[in-house]
Amino acid sequence: QQQVKQSPQSLIVQKGGIPIINCAYENTAFDYFPWYQQFPGKGPALLIAIRPDVSEKKEGRFTISFNKSAKQFSLHIMDSQPGDSATYFCAASKSGNTPLVFGKGTRLSVIA
Amino acid sequence: GAVVSQHPSRVICKSGTSVKIECRSLDFQATTMFWYRQFPKQSLMLMATSNEGSKATYEQGVEKDKFLINHASLTLSTLTVTSAHPEDSSFYICSASDTGIGYTFGSGTRLTVV
Repeated sequence: QQQVKQSPQSLIVQKGGIPIINCAYENTAFDYFPWYQQFPGKGPALLIAIRPDVSEKKEGRFTISFNKSAKQFSLHIMDSQPGDSATYFCAASKSGNTPLVFGKGTRLSVIA
Repeated sequence: GAVVSQHPSRVICKSGTSVKIECRSLDFQATTMFWYRQFPKQSLMLMATSNEGSKATYEQGVEKDKFLINHASLTLSTLTVTSAHPEDSSFYICSASDTGIGYTFGSGTRLTVV
């Protein structure tokens, strides 16, 4: 049973575009929702994270939108650049030091 | 910010030998460490969770006798792949966690078994 469903699997956008990646979760006990960026051969790096008490969070060019009733959250990347080309993973976890559950990832390509 | 150092970054070993991967939290004490495995173009799959001084909790389907995890201190966890075989070739990633810190990932270890 996949607890965090991520879409799309891959995405190609033009430089300056706004790619949007969506995730849906099933476990209502989840209360921490991070997004990670991963380059080939590297570990995931935290981009931005949100908790269920807010509906939106912005850090630089990255924005998370969170819909608690729909159990969905999404990542928006403003003014995307070729350097943003990477694989993005959404994740979720319950409170306490519990493991993150990852989505399957989205391969983003930003073309000039 | 919180930093997790993982070594080695790459290792090639012969089939039947054992390989140890180290994961250190450099500037914080990691109450819990997680070990993930990632196949090419796939997501991270949790292998086990370890708390300092306790035995690791393994996910279903992960052989605990093959993937030995030691978390002897609050700053160091090790994963030993015993009697490695080509099918164990993968990208292994550790993550350290503590209250208030969140989750910090190592840079990963590419294991190739020949």
